[in-house]
Amino acid sequence: GAGVSQTPSNKVTEKGKYVELRCDPISGHTALYWYRQSLGQGPEFLIYFQGTGAADDSGLPNDRFFAVRPEGSVSTLKIQRTERGDSAVYLCASSRLDGDTQYFGPGTRLTVL
Amino acid sequence: EDQVTQSPEALRLQEGESSSLNCSYTVSGLRGLFWYRQDPGKGPEFLFTLYSAGEEKEKERLKATLTKKESFLHITAPKPEDSATYLCAVQAETGANSKLTFGKGITLSVRP
Repeated sequence: GAGVSQTPSNKVTEKGKYVELRCDPISGHTALYWYRQSLGQGPEFLIYFQGTGAADDSGLPNDRFFAVRPEGSVSTLKIQRTERGDSAVYLCASSRLDGDTQYFGPGTRLTVL
Repeated sequence: EDQVTQSPEALRLQEGESSSLNCSYTVSGLRGLFWYRQDPGKGPEFLFTLYSAGEEKEKERLKATLTKKESFLHITAPKPEDSATYLCAVQAETGANSKLTFGKGITLSVRP
């Protein structure tokens, strides 16, 4: 079956702009995770959804970052007033149930000029 | 705080030269230890999950093992197509969050 998909694959924006990154999890997966990966680093946790609710958003760096999953499937990560330090690859993962193996999408490479 | 340290940072092997990648971890109760492979410009690809000390899993030329403090990914007779970054991650059993804590990864290059 289809894996996790993320759009866009690349996003270039200017400092101060607003961006939205989309994640389509594997069909039937109830848990969804967002991670951020900087060059030469491993992925870092941002936020986790179980169903429609954000079960843990402790990894979001500040209040410019927000994510939603209104129908328990697709999720959108929203970044306001982007800064150059937000440049990274944003990865989405999903798992069938909480605690199961997480399967990752290809990521969205965000570049803030 | 959960921590994962991977070593070496980079490893260059000749085709057929077996070796091991190390993952040391500290976690407040281990639910699972995960190995992923990541190719340039792509997302991590799941390889193995290990749950308890002494457990081993194999897939083609790869074998993962687990102790109470570290995990090893053994690569037997590697081929150039095994070149990638290998990521190790832990999942804690405490709390409701099943997030993964990753190491920085080990970049493996296999020369023909």
